[in-house]
Amino acid sequence: EIVMTQSPATLSVSPGERVTLSCRASQSVSSNLAWYQQKPGQAPRLLIYGASTRATGIPARFSGSGSGTEFTLTISSLQSEDFAVYYCQQYNNWSPMYTFGQGTKLEIK
Amino acid sequence: QAQLVQSGAEVKKPGASVKVSCKASGYIFSNYYIHWVRQAPGQGLEWMGIINPSGVNTIYAQKFQGRITMTWDTSTSAVYMELTSLRSEDTALYYCARALAYNWFDSWGQGTLVTVSS
Repeated sequence: EIVMTQSPATLSVSPGERVTLSCRASQSVSSNLAWYQQKPGQAPRLLIYGASTRATGIPARFSGSGSGTEFTLTISSLQSEDFAVYYCQQYNNWSPMYTFGQGTKLEIK
Repeated sequence: QAQLVQSGAEVKKPGASVKVSCKASGYIFSNYYIHWVRQAPGQGLEWMGIINPSGVNTIYAQKFQGRITMTWDTSTSAVYMELTSLRSEDTALYYCARALAYNWFDSWGQGTLVTVSS
């Protein structure tokens, strides 16, 4: 099983700051990496797929990068609505066993 | 737009079974696979399994094999997930989500809370 490890677990930041979240895979997942945002009481929402492609309707302040085993999600200027938990997820065609990272919680400093 | 609407909350006793439904609308049902993901209280996301259009093929996470069954009902555009031999650790929010083949999940249901308690 591919293990996804996110860091840090919690990040305290101020609105307007730039923030980078990390996700590491235990083995290469190529660019088969998605990011999701989850707010309290809501289902997860797709932000990024293919490691760097924004999903429909996602603001340009969200960007993803990386390939292989190292990935990052960057929010260029945090808005109040961005405080949430962020999960990375690997997916692939050759072994459809999906795994999520444990999540990074963005909280207001 | 695509919408997945799940059945309501359930309370079950240990050892019982639960069957959760996920009804699709707003897109061509047979074009997308459906996944099930659960989230225990205060915890992260855990992938449970996938069913392909028409329900011919299913793949379950090893943790749930032997206890989980996913089925597909084309006539009602609904997918069902049944989990048997429930225990307290199965208390969680259960989500369905759609994906184009073995890809990312671009639309999620609202979640169904399953509580297992004696």
